[in-house]
Amino acid sequence: EVVMTQSPATLSVSPGERATLSCRASQSIRNNLAWYQQKPGQAPRLLLFGTSTRATGIPARFSGSGSGTEFTLAISSLQSEDFAVYYCQQYNDWPRTFGQGTKVEIK
Amino acid sequence: QVQLVQSGAEVKKPGSSVQVSCRASGDSFRNFAISWVRQAPGQGFEWMGGIIPMFGRTNYAQKFQGRLTITADESTSTLYMELNSLRSEDTAVYYCATNLAYNWFDPWGQGTLVTVSS
Repeated sequence: EVVMTQSPATLSVSPGERATLSCRASQSIRNNLAWYQQKPGQAPRLLLFGTSTRATGIPARFSGSGSGTEFTLAISSLQSEDFAVYYCQQYNDWPRTFGQGTKVEIK
Repeated sequence: QVQLVQSGAEVKKPGSSVQVSCRASGDSFRNFAISWVRQAPGQGFEWMGGIIPMFGRTNYAQKFQGRLTITADESTSTLYMELNSLRSEDTAVYYCATNLAYNWFDPWGQGTLVTVSS
């Protein structure tokens, strides 16, 4: 199966700063990657699919890039509501697999 | 858009079975794949399998083959996930989630905590 590796495990960022999260696939997944945000006690929320297409209602400060095996989620100016755990997920191969998450915390 | 509401928390003994339900409202759930994804405490997510209600066709992760059954009741727009031969490692929050063509997952149900403990 495709192993998804996210880095760093924890990212400490001040409000208003930019955050950059990485996701690496163990083999090429083309651009078949989604990103999710999860807050404590809540279900995940879809942020991006197709590597860079924002889901309905997702603010423009969230952007995605990459292809093949290396992907990035960028949050241009962190708001208080953005502190959460972020997961990547590939849908190029079976079974669908997720990364272990990056926690974005307040610095 | 589809909204998904799941059944409540369960506590089960090792070796037993659990059934979790997921009721869909809003858009017709027949047209989508709906998957089950679990999250062990403090861990990431694991896709277990899914079903396309329109066709009744299921798709299971190899890890759960033989132990997992996913069904759909179109008359009540409800999905069911049954996991057998439970062990402590199955303790997790189980989510149902809509996914078009088994790609990304959106939206998700609220989650159901299943605790396996003697």
